[in-house]
Amino acid sequence: QVVLTQSPSASASLGASVKLTCTLSSGHSSYAIAWHQQQPEKGPRYLMKVNSDGSHTKGDGVPDRFSGSSSGAERHLTISSLQSEDEADYYCQTWGPGIGVFGGGTKLTVL
Amino acid sequence: QITLKESGPTLVRPTQTLTLTCSFSGFSLSESGVTVGWMEGVGWIRHSPGKALEWLALIYADNGERYSPSLASRLTITRDTSRNQVVLTMTDMNPVDTGTYYCAHRRSSEVEFDYWGQGIVVTVSS
Repeated sequence: QVVLTQSPSASASLGASVKLTCTLSSGHSSYAIAWHQQQPEKGPRYLMKVNSDGSHTKGDGVPDRFSGSSSGAERHLTISSLQSEDEADYYCQTWGPGIGVFGGGTKLTVL
Repeated sequence: QITLKESGPTLVRPTQTLTLTCSFSGFSLSESGVTVGWMEGVGWIRHSPGKALEWLALIYADNGERYSPSLASRLTITRDTSRNQVVLTMTDMNPVDTGTYYCAHRRSSEVEFDYWGQGIVVTVSS
């Protein structure tokens, strides 16, 4: 079964950039993953899918400040020009085989 | 445009059965939701206080069901194609099951849950 690992927390300054990482477990480095944002007291919002080749497909209305990339078993979410509303929990998620899997989430603090 | 909305009780007593309904629009879980190469699906995910998102179950337009291995014995997911609804039942509720329950759309050919409902807060308490 695939396991997704995320750092529990990250922080960056207003206006700066931050790169969040989701690591796929051994033997699953070809999997695509999705990134979801959960702002305080709100439901999750789908941000993008990131493929193993680094290509990514964004959800509806996701700003250009959000981008995705890949390196081996790592899938990244980069947020540039950080804004206060980017302070949220970020979850990676994948599927397979036959079950849904979420990472533990990264709490992003905007300083 | 795809939309989903959860409904159900906000308070459940321990040992009771929880029944949640997801009402959706913008796609179909009937035969028309099955296409060569992919089909529509609706899943349930919960968020318990202080914990990560947890996938619970999913149903496809071909009526195929998938369950979280750790909760499969307590879960049942069904669809009502005439009402565009998906129903999740969870038996033997416990206070640790307290949390916000979401339904979300996913196509079988993709990994992502791309549209989410607003969620419903369920508290398990006597």
